[in-house]
Amino acid sequence: ETGVTQSPTHLIKTRGQQVTLRCSSQSGHNTVSWYQQALGQGPQFIFQYYREEENGRGNFPPRFSGLQFPNYSSELNVNALELDDSALYLCASSAQGTDTQYFGPGTRLTVL
Amino acid sequence: DAKTTQPPSMDCAEGRAANLPCNHSTISGNEYVYWYRQIHSQGPQYIIHGLKNNETNEMASLIITEDRKSSTLILPHATLRDTAVYYCIAATGANSKLTFGKGITLSVRP
Repeated sequence: ETGVTQSPTHLIKTRGQQVTLRCSSQSGHNTVSWYQQALGQGPQFIFQYYREEENGRGNFPPRFSGLQFPNYSSELNVNALELDDSALYLCASSAQGTDTQYFGPGTRLTVL
Repeated sequence: DAKTTQPPSMDCAEGRAANLPCNHSTISGNEYVYWYRQIHSQGPQYIIHGLKNNETNEMASLIITEDRKSSTLILPHATLRDTAVYYCIAATGANSKLTFGKGITLSVRP
């Protein structure tokens, strides 16, 4: 167990809806990164948050947005859901000055 | 970040050592080699990382060639629970984005 938790575990939405996924980082970790993993592929970096600011973004459209809170927990929001957004969404936490990211169990999102 | 290449799959017998290769010929001097694994539909699990020297922990050993263009992850006594997709990643540290490829699928047979 990494101490990184995500909720919910599974989620089903329909096209056009909006979704919010949540992540609690490991104690002492102030950086959270989000990844999307489509079936059969490796995880793809969405963005990273450090001290409540976005600190790097991958090749994802603006309808993917995030927040980080003072306790370092984080949310991933996706607007106007598309079928291709169906994936496992992973968050990973890390601490500045250390070398390793630790992943949560993921949220499985299905868009119908 | 440097690109890494791994064979798509390999297998080994339970109890034997599993040696998983990775090429990273364009790795830069400040990039570490990280290994993660992912058991079906779970989050990736950190295994080990190194910069230049060989590393060992309770899970595995990491052997990096002197020119740093390739590395090998060694699971000394593979068990059925080690069946997973293993990802080799080059990254500058904990707060850089991790660029995952397709990884290598290790199947441990009884």
